[in-house]
Amino acid sequence: KAGVTQTPRYLIKTRGQQVTLSCSPISGHRSVSWYQQTPGQGLQFLFEYFSETQRNKGNFPGRFSGRQFSNSRSEMNVSTLELGDSALYLCASSDSTTRGEQFFGPGTRLTVL
Amino acid sequence: AQSVTQPDIHITVSEGASLELRCNYSYGATPYLFWYVQSPGQGLQLLLKYFSGDTLVQGIKGFEAEFKRSQSSFNLRKPSVHWSDAAEYFCAVGHPGGGNKLTFGTGTQLKVEL
Repeated sequence: KAGVTQTPRYLIKTRGQQVTLSCSPISGHRSVSWYQQTPGQGLQFLFEYFSETQRNKGNFPGRFSGRQFSNSRSEMNVSTLELGDSALYLCASSDSTTRGEQFFGPGTRLTVL
Repeated sequence: AQSVTQPDIHITVSEGASLELRCNYSYGATPYLFWYVQSPGQGLQLLLKYFSGDTLVQGIKGFEAEFKRSQSSFNLRKPSVHWSDAAEYFCAVGHPGGGNKLTFGTGTQLKVEL
């Protein structure tokens, strides 16, 4: 079974631009969660989608948004990029509706200049 | 608010030595508990999990962890470390009834000396 895939793996943007990251979950998994990882703040939960509905949301500004499609693939969008948005963005998928057991993708490394 | 504390930022052990990584959590009830490992440039790999029942859980790569309710701890152990275990280790709590949101600790960077 193929794992969680994320595209692109690396991205360089400039301040003020917007960016869209993509995540394809493990086949059959209906839950997709997104996390931001930075050296200063560590791993922080952004949001979770389940069956195309946002089920949980972390404490991030409205510039961070996401969506999930009927095939469970998910995208997250960051508008008006700031230098502090530079991070590794990790996507995780799950086939359980609770319990939090998740499988992570390799991440997208976003650099904002 | 829920929180996870990993008091050791860096740990260095010799290959073949035993390992214990500490994790303490703050949560209103018994959470779901996880240990993940991250190698450089990689995503997170699940080592083991605790939901309920037997407080000593076995994971992959020879790791085990023990849940101690009285100490709000979930420490990770390995009897004999291999050089390939060098990586960053994260403890995380899940929230029963709260979907799949995980709250992570700050991580422990493990270095293995040959």
